[in-house]
Amino acid sequence: TAGITQAPTSQILAAGRSMTLRCTQDMRHNAMYWYRQDLGLGLRLIHYSNTAGTTGKGEVPDGYSVSRANTDDFPLTLASAVPSQTSVYFCASSEMTGAGDTQYFGPGTRLTVL
Amino acid sequence: GQNIDQPTEMTATEGAIVQINCTYQTSGFNGLFWYQQHAGEAPTFLSYNVLDGLEEKGRFSSFLSRSKGYSYLLLKELQMKDSASYLCAVSDSNYQLIWGAGTKLIIKP
Repeated sequence: TAGITQAPTSQILAAGRSMTLRCTQDMRHNAMYWYRQDLGLGLRLIHYSNTAGTTGKGEVPDGYSVSRANTDDFPLTLASAVPSQTSVYFCASSEMTGAGDTQYFGPGTRLTVL
Repeated sequence: GQNIDQPTEMTATEGAIVQINCTYQTSGFNGLFWYQQHAGEAPTFLSYNVLDGLEEKGRFSSFLSRSKGYSYLLLKELQMKDSASYLCAVSDSNYQLIWGAGTKLIIKP
């Protein structure tokens, strides 16, 4: 099984441009998450979705938006990229949102904003 | 505020044992996770503790003391492939994971 796939693998983006990072899971998990990972910092939650049709804001949501039209897909959009959004972005999913629900991660997207 | 502390880097010798500590202060507690992350790759699940005590899984064990806000990951019979970062994460009152910055483990032959 593929698990979670992300696209693109990496991208260089000019500041001010928009971009959508794609995330698809085939595990029929209810919950999905977007994190960013920066050197010296822990993973930080950007947005999450507990189930299809619902989304919520995480720790660092500014400058990002998400949608969850169906169970499998959870795209992350940067409306107008800024250099501080240079990071590695991980999508994750879990069966439910509850104690002990393990999150499974996609391979990540490395984004550089110039 | 919420805080997860773990050492930035540790070095150990192949075949030895290493203990990676994690202390936490969070709003609520619904369990503690350990993940392994090799350079350039995604984090992968290692263990989950919600009750006090030791959970053993092959060469890896994880311990939790809720009263002390403390956990450790114990790796035995170290192999070169264990060179990676080890991430501690706590599930808070909203079941969101709060992550430590990770401990980079370097294994020397």
